Amino acid sequence: DQQVKQNSPSLSVQEGRISILNCDYTNSMFDYFLWYKKYPAEGPTFLISISSIKDKNEDGRFTVFLNKSAKHLSLHIVPSQPGDSAVYFCAAPSSGGYQKVTFGTGTKLQVIP
Amino acid sequence: DTGVSQDPRHKITKRGQNVTFRCDPISEHNRLYWYRQTLGQGPEFLTYFQNEAQLEKSRLLSDRFSAERPKGSFSTLEIQRTEQGDSAMYLCASSLVLPVGEKLFFGSGTQLSVL
Repeated sequence: DQQVKQNSPSLSVQEGRISILNCDYTNSMFDYFLWYKKYPAEGPTFLISISSIKDKNEDGRFTVFLNKSAKHLSLHIVPSQPGDSAVYFCAAPSSGGYQKVTFGTGTKLQVIP
Repeated sequence: DTGVSQDPRHKITKRGQNVTFRCDPISEHNRLYWYRQTLGQGPEFLTYFQNEAQLEKSRLLSDRFSAERPKGSFSTLEIQRTEQGDSAMYLCASSLVLPVGEKLFFGSGTQLSVL
């Protein structure tokens, strides 16, 4: 049962343009959502999070939007930079008070110079 | 370097052999996690420690797998009688609690190949 889904395995964007990565979820009990970024041969790195009581969270070039009625969230990166090229995972922790996190399958972003 | 450290980075073994991985978390973090990632998938939760206590184990963690955190600091993950299906990246993470949930800090992982 894939509770967090990323349906686009890859995305290519020109440098300077906006990157939009999408994520859908099925469990309406998730309290908050996370985005992680992963470079090859490295572990995932936390990028940004959003509480389920909010619909937007912004951190510099990164903004996450949450649409609870659609059970959908998206990560916007603007402007995109070549260093943003990585795999991006959408994730959500279970409600156990610790990080038993369900990750999506990831979207590989390539930012073309 | 104060990040999460994992050793070894790569391990190649023959089917049926035992392997052990080590994780050194960030020193002030009292929560430690093991995840496993296979090709084309996101990381999957394996187990979680609060200090030295192992508080949850995923059903993915068969009885061939054992994890310990003897003094609440470093942790080891042992796989006995390895199978080809165990081939994966094994990720360790430690965590810091934030106002909005926790933040996991992952190590670079141990890539296991079972031949």
